[in-house]
Amino acid sequence: EAQVTQNPRYLITVTGKKLTVTCSQNMNHEYMSWYRQDPGLGLRQIYYSMNVEVTDKGDVPEGYKVSRKEKRNFPLILESPSPNQTSLYFCASRRGQGARNTEAFFGQGTRLTVV
Amino acid sequence: QKEVEQDPGPLSVPEGAIVSLNCTYSNSAFQYFMWYRQYSRKGPELLMYTYSSGNKEDGRFTAQVDKSSKYISLFIRDSQPSDSATYLCAMSGNTGGFKTIFGAGTRLFVKA
Repeated sequence: EAQVTQNPRYLITVTGKKLTVTCSQNMNHEYMSWYRQDPGLGLRQIYYSMNVEVTDKGDVPEGYKVSRKEKRNFPLILESPSPNQTSLYFCASRRGQGARNTEAFFGQGTRLTVV
Repeated sequence: QKEVEQDPGPLSVPEGAIVSLNCTYSNSAFQYFMWYRQYSRKGPELLMYTYSSGNKEDGRFTAQVDKSSKYISLFIRDSQPSDSATYLCAMSGNTGGFKTIFGAGTRLFVKA
């Protein structure tokens, strides 16, 4: 079954404690991205990756890091989480960045609370 | 001004009603228009995909794009309680690698 898998689904952590949210896709997609979803603001892109070792900032990259060492994995790293990073996070993948590859497949989401 | 504007609702309708969901946008470079459905505690899933202007129909769902007015719509006929979800419009174009811009989402409740 084609899917994007995120872990963990729920996470409560304290300010400043480094954490990683994992994302894996089994569709051999080139393009992967991370979004955060906040009430009234919709989905905002944090970082994206067009292929292995190629990543770039989205609209709200501050406080986040990513890496893309393998095609299937795209972890999101919060080096020093703060309460304003409390949000619902989604990983998404799509075939490529071209015009006809805009359909995105989303993971189930990670609800992060930073206290 | 946001690139994509969408009324957050909530929108509450009785079962069987015709539902109209809408988005407006400001970037004339957008060419690809999508609607995603998101159930509670789930990730968004693609519902409809339209290129440029015109209509597209898929079962009870019809997507309309009016590029001259920068306005897109999703119609749901014979709405069912299972249609209760948040509907996100999304669009992309030849800007920055065809990055997808999402609306904030409209929450829909269909009452039995």
